[in-house]
Amino acid sequence: DTEVTQTPKHLVMGMTNKKSLKCEQHMGHRAMYWYKQKAKKPPELMFVYSYEKLSINESVPSRFSPECPNSSLLNLHLHALQPEDSALYLCASSTGDSNQPQHFGDGTRLSIL
Amino acid sequence: GQNIDQPTEMTATEGAIVQINCTYQTSGFNGLFWYQQHAGEAPTFLSYNVLDGLEEKGRFSSFLSRSKGYSYLLLKELQMKDSASYLCAVRGSGGSYIPTFGRGTSLIVHP
Repeated sequence: DTEVTQTPKHLVMGMTNKKSLKCEQHMGHRAMYWYKQKAKKPPELMFVYSYEKLSINESVPSRFSPECPNSSLLNLHLHALQPEDSALYLCASSTGDSNQPQHFGDGTRLSIL
Repeated sequence: GQNIDQPTEMTATEGAIVQINCTYQTSGFNGLFWYQQHAGEAPTFLSYNVLDGLEEKGRFSSFLSRSKGYSYLLLKELQMKDSASYLCAVRGSGGSYIPTFGRGTSLIVHP
Protein backbone atom coordinates (compact mmCIF):
# COMPACT_ATOMS: atom_id res chain seq x y z
CA ASP A 1 0.00 0.00 0.00
CA THR A 2 1.18 3.53 -0.76
CA GLU A 3 0.49 6.80 1.04
CA VAL A 4 -0.97 8.24 -2.14
CA THR A 5 -4.37 6.74 -2.92
CA GLN A 6 -5.77 6.63 -6.43
CA THR A 7 -9.25 5.62 -7.55
CA PRO A 8 -10.40 3.80 -9.51
CA LYS A 9 -7.68 1.18 -10.02
CA HIS A 10 -9.07 0.26 -13.42
CA LEU A 11 -11.27 2.20 -15.81
CA VAL A 12 -12.68 1.25 -19.19
CA MET A 13 -14.45 3.98 -21.10
CA GLY A 14 -15.67 4.82 -24.56
CA MET A 15 -14.40 7.76 -26.53
CA THR A 16 -17.52 9.80 -25.84
CA ASN A 17 -17.63 9.22 -22.09
CA LYS A 18 -16.71 11.64 -19.35
CA LYS A 19 -14.96 10.24 -16.30
CA SER A 20 -12.65 11.44 -13.54
CA LEU A 21 -9.58 10.00 -11.88
CA LYS A 22 -9.02 10.83 -8.22
CA CYS A 23 -5.93 11.10 -6.08
CA GLU A 24 -5.57 11.76 -2.36
CA GLN A 25 -2.64 12.25 0.00
CA HIS A 26 -2.54 13.21 3.67
CA MET A 27 1.18 13.78 4.09
CA GLY A 28 0.90 17.56 3.94
CA HIS A 29 2.74 17.64 0.62
CA ARG A 30 2.47 20.92 -1.26
CA ALA A 31 3.20 19.58 -4.75
CA MET A 32 1.04 17.07 -6.62
CA TYR A 33 1.59 15.59 -10.06
CA TRP A 34 -0.11 13.64 -12.81
CA TYR A 35 1.97 11.29 -14.96
CA LYS A 36 1.06 9.08 -17.90
CA GLN A 37 2.94 5.81 -18.30
CA LYS A 38 2.84 3.45 -21.27
CA ALA A 39 4.07 -0.12 -21.00
CA LYS A 40 7.85 -0.44 -20.67
CA LYS A 41 8.25 3.34 -20.76
CA PRO A 42 9.10 5.84 -18.02
CA PRO A 43 6.43 8.06 -16.49
CA GLU A 44 5.73 11.17 -18.58
CA LEU A 45 4.89 14.32 -16.68
CA MET A 46 1.49 15.84 -17.52
CA PHE A 47 0.62 18.40 -14.84
CA VAL A 48 2.07 19.83 -11.65
CA TYR A 49 0.18 21.62 -8.90
CA SER A 50 2.03 23.65 -6.31
CA TYR A 51 0.08 25.03 -3.36
CA GLU A 52 -3.15 24.07 -5.14
CA LYS A 53 -2.28 26.11 -8.23
CA LEU A 54 -1.42 24.68 -11.62
CA SER A 55 2.26 25.42 -12.18
CA ILE A 56 3.13 23.15 -15.08
CA ASN A 57 1.12 21.85 -18.03
CA GLU A 58 3.34 19.80 -20.33
CA SER A 59 1.33 20.70 -23.45
CA VAL A 60 -1.31 18.14 -22.58
CA PRO A 61 -4.40 18.00 -24.86
CA SER A 62 -7.47 19.74 -23.48
CA ARG A 63 -9.37 16.45 -23.29
CA PHE A 64 -7.43 16.05 -20.02
CA SER A 65 -8.46 18.61 -17.42
CA PRO A 66 -6.81 18.67 -13.99
CA GLU A 67 -8.35 20.04 -10.84
CA CYS A 68 -7.02 20.53 -7.33
CA PRO A 69 -9.98 21.10 -4.97
CA ASN A 70 -7.76 21.31 -1.88
CA SER A 71 -4.26 20.53 -0.71
CA SER A 72 -5.01 16.81 -0.29
CA LEU A 73 -6.95 16.09 -3.45
CA LEU A 74 -6.11 16.03 -7.13
CA ASN A 75 -8.50 15.07 -9.91
CA LEU A 76 -8.05 14.43 -13.60
CA HIS A 77 -11.20 14.91 -15.67
CA LEU A 78 -11.35 12.96 -18.91
CA HIS A 79 -13.52 13.70 -21.93
CA ALA A 80 -13.50 12.50 -25.53
CA LEU A 81 -10.34 10.45 -25.10
CA GLN A 82 -8.64 8.58 -27.90
CA PRO A 83 -7.48 4.94 -27.95
CA GLU A 84 -3.87 6.12 -27.71
CA ASP A 85 -4.69 7.62 -24.32
CA SER A 86 -4.91 4.12 -22.88
CA ALA A 87 -2.15 3.95 -20.25
CA LEU A 88 -1.40 3.84 -16.55
CA TYR A 89 -2.07 7.23 -14.97
CA LEU A 90 0.04 7.88 -11.92
CA CYS A 91 -0.48 10.52 -9.28
CA ALA A 92 2.44 11.62 -7.12
CA SER A 93 3.08 14.10 -4.35
CA SER A 94 6.13 15.62 -2.74
CA THR A 95 7.10 18.30 -0.26
CA GLY A 96 8.58 20.31 -3.11
CA ASP A 97 12.00 20.41 -1.47
CA SER A 98 14.77 19.52 -3.91
CA ASN A 99 16.17 16.62 -1.89
CA GLN A 100 12.84 14.93 -1.21
CA PRO A 101 11.46 12.17 -3.43
CA GLN A 102 8.06 11.92 -5.02
CA HIS A 103 5.58 9.48 -3.52
CA PHE A 104 3.52 7.69 -6.14
CA GLY A 105 0.09 6.15 -6.04
CA ASP A 106 -0.55 2.72 -7.57
CA GLY A 107 -2.13 4.35 -10.58
CA THR A 108 -5.31 3.99 -12.58
CA ARG A 109 -5.14 1.58 -15.51
CA LEU A 110 -7.19 3.33 -18.21
CA SER A 111 -8.46 1.61 -21.35
CA ILE A 112 -10.23 3.55 -24.09
CA LEU A 113 -12.47 1.53 -26.36
CA GLY B 1 17.48 19.68 -22.42
CA GLN B 2 18.10 16.52 -20.49
CA ASN B 3 19.34 13.15 -21.73
CA ILE B 4 19.30 10.17 -19.40
CA ASP B 5 20.49 6.75 -20.53
CA GLN B 6 20.04 3.36 -18.89
CA PRO B 7 20.27 -0.17 -20.27
CA THR B 8 16.90 -1.49 -21.35
CA GLU B 9 17.14 -4.90 -19.75
CA MET B 10 19.43 -6.92 -17.52
CA THR B 11 19.32 -10.44 -16.17
CA ALA B 12 20.99 -11.85 -13.07
CA THR B 13 20.96 -14.91 -10.86
CA GLU B 14 19.39 -15.13 -7.43
CA GLY B 15 22.00 -14.42 -4.75
CA ALA B 16 24.29 -12.54 -7.13
CA ILE B 17 25.21 -8.84 -7.35
CA VAL B 18 24.04 -6.59 -10.20
CA GLN B 19 24.99 -3.04 -11.12
CA ILE B 20 22.57 -0.87 -13.08
CA ASN B 21 24.18 2.14 -14.70
CA CYS B 22 22.70 5.54 -15.49
CA THR B 23 24.45 8.27 -17.46
CA TYR B 24 23.03 11.72 -17.84
CA GLN B 25 23.56 15.01 -19.61
CA THR B 26 21.52 17.77 -18.05
CA SER B 27 21.33 21.52 -17.80
CA GLY B 28 22.95 21.71 -14.41
CA PHE B 29 22.53 19.08 -11.72
CA ASN B 30 20.56 19.11 -8.51
CA GLY B 31 20.22 15.49 -7.44
CA LEU B 32 19.59 11.99 -8.75
CA PHE B 33 16.93 9.53 -7.59
CA TRP B 34 16.55 5.80 -8.08
CA TYR B 35 13.08 4.24 -8.02
CA GLN B 36 11.92 0.63 -8.21
CA GLN B 37 8.73 -0.21 -10.06
CA HIS B 38 7.11 -3.63 -10.17
CA ALA B 39 4.82 -4.26 -13.12
CA GLY B 40 1.47 -2.53 -12.67
CA GLU B 41 2.52 -0.89 -9.41
CA ALA B 42 3.70 2.51 -8.22
CA PRO B 43 7.35 3.53 -8.45
CA THR B 44 8.86 3.42 -4.97
CA PHE B 45 11.78 5.52 -3.83
CA LEU B 46 15.10 3.72 -3.30
CA SER B 47 17.84 6.34 -3.00
CA TYR B 48 18.93 9.92 -3.51
CA ASN B 49 22.41 11.20 -4.39
CA VAL B 50 23.44 14.81 -4.72
CA LEU B 51 27.12 14.59 -3.69
CA ASP B 52 29.76 12.31 -5.16
CA GLY B 53 30.18 8.96 -3.53
CA LEU B 54 28.35 5.90 -2.37
CA GLU B 55 25.11 5.79 -0.38
CA GLU B 56 24.33 2.43 1.17
CA LYS B 57 20.92 1.21 2.32
CA GLY B 58 20.86 -2.44 3.21
CA ARG B 59 21.17 -4.58 0.08
CA PHE B 60 20.94 -1.53 -2.17
CA SER B 61 23.66 1.07 -2.76
CA SER B 62 23.80 4.01 -5.14
CA PHE B 63 26.87 5.79 -6.42
CA LEU B 64 27.27 9.19 -8.06
CA SER B 65 30.04 10.89 -10.00
CA ARG B 66 28.93 14.38 -10.99
CA SER B 67 32.04 15.07 -13.09
CA LYS B 68 31.30 11.99 -15.20
CA GLY B 69 27.52 12.42 -15.29
CA TYR B 70 27.23 8.87 -14.01
CA SER B 71 25.41 6.91 -11.36
CA TYR B 72 24.87 3.27 -10.61
CA LEU B 73 22.53 1.26 -8.44
CA LEU B 74 24.09 -1.81 -6.88
CA LEU B 75 21.86 -4.64 -5.72
CA LYS B 76 23.43 -7.35 -3.57
CA GLU B 77 22.16 -10.80 -2.56
CA LEU B 78 19.56 -10.68 -5.29
CA GLN B 79 16.13 -12.08 -4.56
CA MET B 80 13.40 -13.08 -6.98
CA LYS B 81 11.30 -10.17 -5.73
CA ASP B 82 13.96 -7.76 -7.01
CA SER B 83 12.72 -8.46 -10.53
CA ALA B 84 11.35 -5.04 -11.48
CA SER B 85 12.05 -1.92 -13.48
CA TYR B 86 14.62 0.47 -12.00
CA LEU B 87 14.20 4.11 -12.91
CA CYS B 88 16.93 6.73 -12.72
CA ALA B 89 15.55 10.27 -12.35
CA VAL B 90 17.68 13.41 -12.54
CA ARG B 91 16.86 16.86 -11.30
CA GLY B 92 18.50 19.64 -13.29
CA SER B 93 19.13 23.18 -12.18
CA GLY B 94 17.00 26.24 -12.78
CA GLY B 95 14.94 26.02 -9.63
CA SER B 96 12.68 23.20 -10.81
CA TYR B 97 12.17 20.50 -8.22
CA ILE B 98 10.81 18.06 -10.76
CA PRO B 99 13.13 15.26 -11.88
CA THR B 100 13.23 13.80 -15.39
CA PHE B 101 12.98 10.02 -15.61
CA GLY B 102 15.19 7.75 -17.66
CA ARG B 103 13.47 4.97 -19.61
CA GLY B 104 14.13 2.45 -16.84
CA THR B 105 16.02 -0.82 -16.71
CA SER B 106 14.02 -4.03 -16.54
CA LEU B 107 15.85 -6.44 -14.23
CA ILE B 108 15.01 -10.14 -14.42
CA VAL B 109 16.27 -12.31 -11.57
CA HIS B 110 16.24 -16.02 -12.26
CA PRO B 111 16.87 -18.97 -9.95
